[in-house]
Amino acid sequence: NAGVMQNPRHLVRRRGQEARLRCSPMKGHSHVYWYRQLPEEGLKFMVYLQKENIIDESGMPKERFSAEFPKEGPSILRIQQVVRGDSAAYFCASSPTQGGRETQYFGPGTRLLVL
Amino acid sequence: GENVEQHPSTLSVQEGDSAVIKCTYSDSASNYFPWYKQELGKRPQLIIDIRSNVGEKKDQRIAVTLNKTAKHFSLHITETQPEDSAVYFCAATYPNRDDKIIFGKGTRLHILP
Repeated sequence: NAGVMQNPRHLVRRRGQEARLRCSPMKGHSHVYWYRQLPEEGLKFMVYLQKENIIDESGMPKERFSAEFPKEGPSILRIQQVVRGDSAAYFCASSPTQGGRETQYFGPGTRLLVL
Repeated sequence: GENVEQHPSTLSVQEGDSAVIKCTYSDSASNYFPWYKQELGKRPQLIIDIRSNVGEKKDQRIAVTLNKTAKHFSLHITETQPEDSAVYFCAATYPNRDDKIIFGKGTRLHILP
């Protein structure tokens, strides 16, 4: 079991560009969560998805941010027209489809730097 | 509302001594309480968890206690070692919100030589 995979690990964008962050959950996991972490701060919940469904997006900014988890392929967190304040580490976590849904396992994160 | 308070924000402990980190939660329906350890530049990793049907759980030098009445739970690390230096996050799930996990703000633990 390869664990939760995220790519890229580091992403540099200029203001106004788009950032696409990918997350592949662990095998047997169909729940995906995205968190943002600023330096020296905690994990801020952004969005919770299951395959083809957004379950809870209460932590995601209404503008410029979107997330999807298609039937095939990884979950994508998209940030359009990035600004310097979007610079952060973005972590994805997944949890099992059956049993123990509460237990989340984190990926290595994508560190986004906006110049 | 959904809230998890964590104290202290920073903790320095002499190597070999014990460290205790405390958290409180707001929703009496919360029933699962994981603890994560995050080393510098790394991902958060689950180190121990406890469910609401038990009051204490232990795994080698790490233990977690839960007081459901007071809505408190604590992480205890005994015989601390340099590799215990990290940021520790407590969390609680909210069953009425699709088991959403709310994290505390973290405790930076320094083990002093």
